[in-house]
Amino acid sequence: DAGVIQSPRHEVTEMGQEVTLRCKPISGHNSLFWYRQTMMRGLELLIYFNNNVPIDDSGMPEDRFSAKMPNASFSTLKIQPSEPRDSAVYFCASRGWTGITYGYTFGSGTRLTVV
Amino acid sequence: AQTVTQSQPEMSVQEAETVTLSCTYDTSESDYYLFWYKQPPSRQMILVIRQEAYKQQNATENRFSVNFQKAAKSFSLKISDSQLGDAAMYFCAYRRIQGAQKLVFGQGTRLTINP
Repeated sequence: DAGVIQSPRHEVTEMGQEVTLRCKPISGHNSLFWYRQTMMRGLELLIYFNNNVPIDDSGMPEDRFSAKMPNASFSTLKIQPSEPRDSAVYFCASRGWTGITYGYTFGSGTRLTVV
Repeated sequence: AQTVTQSQPEMSVQEAETVTLSCTYDTSESDYYLFWYKQPPSRQMILVIRQEAYKQQNATENRFSVNFQKAAKSFSLKISDSQLGDAAMYFCAYRRIQGAQKLVFGQGTRLTINP
């Protein structure tokens, strides 16, 4: 398995534009998490899904953020409209059987810059 | 709500020496998991070590070991024989056993290895 795949790796956009981040979890993993990492706030959980159903979205900053998981192999995080304070690294992680135990696998993250 | 605190924003150590990274947490749960993750400049989040709170024996993975003090809610990471490849951000994380599967992270400690 190629691991958790996130795209794009880097995104630069102008304030006010819509941004969509994408994530493909590991096949067979039934939980998916979106985290945001900034210098000031560290790693914050935005939302997570179990079996494609959103379980906890209390970390979503505001209505400008939305996340979907239409099927077990794909999730998106959308920001509309984007603002400079949204600049951060966004990580997707999935949880499931790793072959040895149940564990988390993180993607390489998307670095978002809003100018 | 559970919180995780890493009080050392930065640490440095000479190559081949031993360094200890500190972590404290707050929870009302009796059973939970604790983790240390490594984040090198590549941004990849790599699991270093995991500890189950119901196990009294401290976890060990090669040069990495933990000092788990449940009553004090302390979970420090010791790196022996430090190597240049150990240079990274290190995050302490907590997860409940029952219920929410999300990881709660500390703010991180940046570890520098001096040759």
